[in-house]
Amino acid sequence: KAGVTQTPRYLIKTRGQQVTLSCSPISGHRSVSWYQQTPGQGLQFLFEYFSETQRNKGNFPGRFSGRQFSNSRSEMNVSTLELGDSALYLCASSPGGTGLQETQYFGPGTRLLVL
Amino acid sequence: QKEVEQNSGPLSVPEGAIASLNCTYSDRGSQSFFWYRQYSGKSPELIMSIYSNGDKEDGRFTAQLNKASQYVSLLIRDSQPSDSATYLCAGGRGMNYGGSQGNLIFGKGTKLSVKP
Repeated sequence: KAGVTQTPRYLIKTRGQQVTLSCSPISGHRSVSWYQQTPGQGLQFLFEYFSETQRNKGNFPGRFSGRQFSNSRSEMNVSTLELGDSALYLCASSPGGTGLQETQYFGPGTRLLVL
Repeated sequence: QKEVEQNSGPLSVPEGAIASLNCTYSDRGSQSFFWYRQYSGKSPELIMSIYSNGDKEDGRFTAQLNKASQYVSLLIRDSQPSDSATYLCAGGRGMNYGGSQGNLIFGKGTKLSVKP
């Protein structure tokens, strides 16, 4: 099975711009989660999507948003970029069951640099 | 504030030795725990998951979970230079314990260096 894919792999933007990142989950996985990783804060949960609906959201400002399509592919958008948004953005997928926490399989990430 | 705490290291061990990595967690509702390995510039890759108290072995890796003490550990036997990486501990509730798939709480990781 192909793994989680993310595009683009690298991005350079300037403050005030907006950015859209894309994620394709493992085939058959319906849950897609997004995380931000920075050296200071580590890996932090942004949000999770399942069946085109946001099921859970982390503690990030409203500038961070996402969506999921009917084929389970997901996008996240960051508007009005700030320098502090520079990070590795990781997408993870799992089957999406309603029981115990499932293993999250991570994509390669998108490295965003805000100048 | 739900937290997972790890010693940031670096933890340095000689090749062939046992590396012991530890983490503690604050959320008693967490039921499932994961160890990920992350090489510099790469994304996390799963090493092991553990759900029940006790030990779970997979090759050179053994995960240990003690829910009463809120403690998770990972032992790496016969450590190799290729094991040099940052090891991330994560916990989650899952939906049947009031959580959500994907809302893993990660520690900041322990950097392991295995010297030849």
